[in-house]
Amino acid sequence: QSVLTQPPSASGTPGQRVTISCSGSNSNIGNNYVHWYQQFPGTAPKLLIYRNNQRPSGVPDRFSGSKSGTTASLAISGLRSEDEAEYYCAAWDDTLTGPWVFGGGTKVSVL
Amino acid sequence: QVQLMQSGAEVKKPGASVKVSCKAFGYTFTSYYMHWVRQAPGQGLEWMGVIYTAGGSTSYAQKFQDRVTMTRDTSTSTLYMVLSSLRSSDTAVYYCARAEESGSSYPFDFWGQGTLVTVSS
Repeated sequence: QSVLTQPPSASGTPGQRVTISCSGSNSNIGNNYVHWYQQFPGTAPKLLIYRNNQRPSGVPDRFSGSKSGTTASLAISGLRSEDEAEYYCAAWDDTLTGPWVFGGGTKVSVL
Repeated sequence: QVQLMQSGAEVKKPGASVKVSCKAFGYTFTSYYMHWVRQAPGQGLEWMGVIYTAGGSTSYAQKFQDRVTMTRDTSTSTLYMVLSSLRSSDTAVYYCARAEESGSSYPFDFWGQGTLVTVSS
């Protein structure tokens, strides 16, 4: 059972916009930054969005992040076949003995 | 360029220990914190702990507090993670991952390729 809650799957057709939610609490998302990672099968995660809405160099601007209260979201606009991957949210938790906590991951499929 | 090169896959029996290494290339080793994160087959990511590469101090997730030891060798820019008293539920891919500092603002910006540890009798 992950501390942060993500839907297990999301899907869309090429060109569509897909949004993934990540729900937490005041001790993690509510008071701290959210980061997003992209993972393809058999490979290591890659940093996709950091500090809620910042993109590392090289990440297309089709990917965007936002946060409101205790929920964060990752949006993929202009969905492409190469976006088919698992997406994880992560945040620092002030109370848990982690302190880093992750969502359970969302598998994005391009139909 | 930045690379984190991890050691190869391991197969261990229950009760044994495993040592995974992570060698850093392409940046100043002691300028970054290094985390260990694991991923059981078909499961999500789980944070295990962090080592401050400059001073060697560590912080472990409570779940692993009694079984994990993280060390580093600054002369070879290599990290080590030892997990002891292995059980089948420790079967997972273990990743090292770099962060600029410790804290909420600092994500894991580069990851090693992962090391599969299989625990089986």
